[in-house]
Amino acid sequence: KNEVEQSPQNLTAQEGEFITINCSYSVGISALHWLQQHPGGGIVSLFMLSSGKKKHGRLIATINIQEKHSSLHITASHPRDSAVYICAVMEADSNYQLIWGAGTKLIIKP
Amino acid sequence: NAGVTQTPKFQVLKTGQSMTLQCAQDMNHNSMYWYRQDPGMGLRLIYYSASEGTTDKGEVPNGYNVSRLNKREFSLRLESAAPSQTSVYFCASLRQSNYGYTFGSGTRLTVV
Repeated sequence: KNEVEQSPQNLTAQEGEFITINCSYSVGISALHWLQQHPGGGIVSLFMLSSGKKKHGRLIATINIQEKHSSLHITASHPRDSAVYICAVMEADSNYQLIWGAGTKLIIKP
Repeated sequence: NAGVTQTPKFQVLKTGQSMTLQCAQDMNHNSMYWYRQDPGMGLRLIYYSASEGTTDKGEVPNGYNVSRLNKREFSLRLESAAPSQTSVYFCASLRQSNYGYTFGSGTRLTVV
């Protein structure tokens, strides 16, 4: 059983649609990260959450610690949002190591 | 504002050759990490260094060695490269105070 589960694995949507990517985890955590990776590209940290909600431009990330669940939302999606989105959790008392989800491949069609 | 700098960006090795991947960060972070990413798989931790002077094995350490030369630099060495080590390698550093991660741009390594 994976400790970090992301859904969906793949998502194709039309430009302008509201996108939701989910992440569930089974361990106690210090923090949860959402990261973005474009094809052939580097990894960019989008959000780090330990509680509540964060917003940056068209991106919103939420976390429910009690339910061990986080969501990443993209409003007014654009083809440049096409990328792999990765959820990773920092397990409590783990010497700051991350447990990685498998990623969600998002394609936004014009 | 360089962040995490990895060199080289691309490398082709013959089986049995050795090489060192370099990583440096200028953010005064204590913790540094080496990951590999294979097609269709998530990142896997090779080695990490929680602080200057310490290194520990991650999930897939076999075939690799590391050196935390100082607080800035954390290098990954392949002593005898194998085709199974063909991968994209990422270095990262962590700001412990807010759990913020910063990644290097990656090294695409091919072993033939």
